[in-house]
Amino acid sequence: NAGVTQTPKFRVLKTGQSMTLLCAQDMNHEYMYWYRQDPGMGLRLIHYSVGEGTTAKGEVPDGYNVSRLKKQNFLLGLESAAPSQTSVYFCASINPPGPTSGANVLTFGAGSRLTVL
Amino acid sequence: DAKTTQPNSMESNEEEPVHLPCNHSTISGTDYIHWYRQLPSQGPEYVIHGLTSNVNNRMASLAIAEDRKSSTLILHRATLRDAAVYYCILRANFGNEKLTFGTGTRLTIIP
Repeated sequence: NAGVTQTPKFRVLKTGQSMTLLCAQDMNHEYMYWYRQDPGMGLRLIHYSVGEGTTAKGEVPDGYNVSRLKKQNFLLGLESAAPSQTSVYFCASINPPGPTSGANVLTFGAGSRLTVL
Repeated sequence: DAKTTQPNSMESNEEEPVHLPCNHSTISGTDYIHWYRQLPSQGPEYVIHGLTSNVNNRMASLAIAEDRKSSTLILHRATLRDAAVYYCILRANFGNEKLTFGTGTRLTIIP
């Protein structure tokens, strides 16, 4: 049981290039999240999804796009990378809350370190 | 969205108990209190959660105030491996799916 897997783990881009980060989870979770973490800072929510085919904006969505074509995968895209997007990106997943499932907990991936030159 | 407030940093001596506070004065009746921690160069990991009653697990204890407007994560005997950033977040039992984190508390353990 791998949990949440992020690929790639490291990537260096030049300004203006595009790329996609992949998050895959094998826990059949409905909800998935993308966060970014700048050095010495907390986690900031970029986009999230509450089910296959759905996406929603988080706190810092500008410059990113996402897609959830399959329940187990959540893709984060950068169409035209900027140095300000240099960060570590974390994906997480969880099941929906409910009468007895408010206790469901987030499972995070190990992170993807992106550098934009 | 109900928010949480934590001190930016705390220090503790090794092998002593650590009490990490979290304020959540706008918590709703059905919000669960979750704690996560992030070890250096790793993704966050779950620590403990609770609703109303105090909770214990192998990692820590969670003490929840009677009015639920604050909570305290207790590490009973801190080790160097407990040095991390600790995040307190609220998870609604229905409705709000937007899970946001604050800046957390950076815990330093002094040998």
